[in-house]
Amino acid sequence: QQQVKQSPQSLIVQKGGISIINCAYENTAFDYFPWYQQFPGKGPALLIAIRPDVSEKKEGRFTISFNKSAKQFSLHIMDSQPGDSATYFCAASNTGSARQLTFGSGTQLTVLP
Amino acid sequence: DGGITQSPKYLFRKEGQNVTLSCEQNLNHDAMYWYRQDPGQGLRLIYYSQIVNDFQKGDIAEGYSVSREKKESFPLTVTSAQKNPTAFYLCASSILPGVGNSPLHFGNGTRLTVT
Repeated sequence: QQQVKQSPQSLIVQKGGISIINCAYENTAFDYFPWYQQFPGKGPALLIAIRPDVSEKKEGRFTISFNKSAKQFSLHIMDSQPGDSATYFCAASNTGSARQLTFGSGTQLTVLP
Repeated sequence: DGGITQSPKYLFRKEGQNVTLSCEQNLNHDAMYWYRQDPGQGLRLIYYSQIVNDFQKGDIAEGYSVSREKKESFPLTVTSAQKNPTAFYLCASSILPGVGNSPLHFGNGTRLTVT
């Protein structure tokens, strides 16, 4: 029940296109869903996060869509840029859990110039 | 600047040797974590600690050990019992979970190669 499934494993998008990464979870106790961005040789950094009381959250070109009934959430990157090329991880946690986050397997995004 | 420092960036060891990875934070965070990252497998939790002198096993603790003698420091020892130690190791910290939003702050990792 701790698993978070992420797809696709890799994604290639043209500059200016929309990148979409999907995640699904099983544990209904999860109530915090962040996305992390990781550049090669660096640690992941928090990009955007959502709680299940809203269905969508937007920050600049990045949007999280959340479907509580389907237990799915997704990251949309609008107007994708070559600088967005990185590995993206979804994650989920139960607020107050000492274990913190359960991570998806990651999506390697390449934005072609 | 506040942050997490992991050292060294690259580490090479012979099989059968124990090796200790350093993690120091100056964010005044109570909680610290060690993750292992392998291609296609995301981040897997090795150990975590919420308070000095206390820590708990994560999902893949076998072959690893940790200590938390100071709030700022959470070193990880990869022992010879770890069957496949070659990986990218990430240390993270946060305020205590459940205290408002507590995002993880990561260091830049140590890439360990064991031959």
